[in-house]
Amino acid sequence: GQQVMQIPQYQHVQEGEDFTTYCNSSTTLSNIQWYKQRPGGHPVFLIQLVKSGEVKKQKRLTFQFGEAKKNSSLHITATQTTDVGTYFCAGPGWGGSEKLVFGKGTKLTVNP
Amino acid sequence: DVKVTQSSRYLVKRTGEKVFLECVQDMDHENMFWYRQDPGLGLRLIYFSYDVKMKEKGDIPEGYSVSREKKERFSLILESASTNQTSMYLCASSLSGTGNGYTFGSGTRLTVV
Repeated sequence: GQQVMQIPQYQHVQEGEDFTTYCNSSTTLSNIQWYKQRPGGHPVFLIQLVKSGEVKKQKRLTFQFGEAKKNSSLHITATQTTDVGTYFCAGPGWGGSEKLVFGKGTKLTVNP
Repeated sequence: DVKVTQSSRYLVKRTGEKVFLECVQDMDHENMFWYRQDPGLGLRLIYFSYDVKMKEKGDIPEGYSVSREKKERFSLILESASTNQTSMYLCASSLSGTGNGYTFGSGTRLTVV
């Protein structure tokens, strides 16, 4: 079945350092979504990318969708303690269905 | 804002019990989903539903069933709870059409003893 691989599994940074998580799919994706889950919380939708090579920004967060639409990345500039949490990417399931296949997430911790 | 409400935040049940987890959304979303989340395994889809009385198996449906009698409510049923079903259960909903983000509920942490 379709797989969405996400690396790294864990990342610990000092406050102010940058952070990047990468997502790779075994198949071409029609779109990719990113979610954030704070400790003790539930996943919250951040953004969706649809176009090949698309780049979107949300303040210090930059999201990219690869040219081949098989990979994506989330980059955080100058991390803050509020960025702590697990970041998930997700892509449509087999045949472009409306169910999402989630990566296992990257858990980010920030040392103040 | 869309709200997805799960009936219980924490639940403790005994092995062999029949367990009902309830989920209600208030924004007329067509799609509803049940996931379980376990450390190191991420989010795994149990069942989903595109419409009332419609259901489809996800990746790990064994030991579970679902019910969707009304559009706003999607119930997950553990027919005979077992200890390996101890987990965080997350309900989500979305509008019909690919590319619509999910709204998740706060989750139910189920412990089976």
